[in-house]
Amino acid sequence: AQSVAQPEDQVNVAEGNPLTVKCTYSVSGNPYLFWYVQYPNRGLQFLLKYITGDNLVKGSYGFEAEFNKSQTSFHLKKPSALVSDSALYFCAVRDRSGYSTLTFGKGTMLLVSP
Amino acid sequence: EPEVTQTPSHQVTQMGQEVILRCVPISNHLYFYWYRQILGQKVEFLVSFYNNEISEKSEIFDDQFSVERPDGSNFTLKIRSTKLEDSAMYFCASANGGQANEKLFFGSGTQLSVL
Repeated sequence: AQSVAQPEDQVNVAEGNPLTVKCTYSVSGNPYLFWYVQYPNRGLQFLLKYITGDNLVKGSYGFEAEFNKSQTSFHLKKPSALVSDSALYFCAVRDRSGYSTLTFGKGTMLLVSP
Repeated sequence: EPEVTQTPSHQVTQMGQEVILRCVPISNHLYFYWYRQILGQKVEFLVSFYNNEISEKSEIFDDQFSVERPDGSNFTLKIRSTKLEDSAMYFCASANGGQANEKLFFGSGTQLSVL
């Protein structure tokens, strides 16, 4: 069975500092990996995905994520955080070797202070 | 950007009552999903729907749950006899394609509270 772990319930960072939101995954085959963000009273919004190729994936709002196969990780990063980045971030995985559902982590709350 | 719409945003019901959660997916999408998130827990897959039938469902989606696309635009989730443990945020999602790398578009959710 596939799974996603987001070890941090909350990440606090000051505006202008770099941020990292951690994600590790487990699948039987090769993964497709996703990050979604949820702002208050909104649905989950797609940020970025890793399919193949370059391990560093760039997405919306200046976010990027690095796929590391040996560590089975897909950490979300941004060089300089904004207060408006404060939201709930979800990592998700899907096994590309056969049909499988999109499996989410429990989410990490990112709080960016002014 | 087009959006998935869910109604109501909040639903309070008594245990044992039936509830219907409604969703309007993006108009040209063909794949539809329901997920739920119990407070503090993971977002869990419930069911996927394509071509007017369920394509996959999880262990959570037992006989008390059903889905329907009654009129070509709405996509509903019915819980026949709600239990306390059904209290959760329910998210509807849709996608244009069914490939594993397809991104899903989510609604803002319906918070279901079973008393």
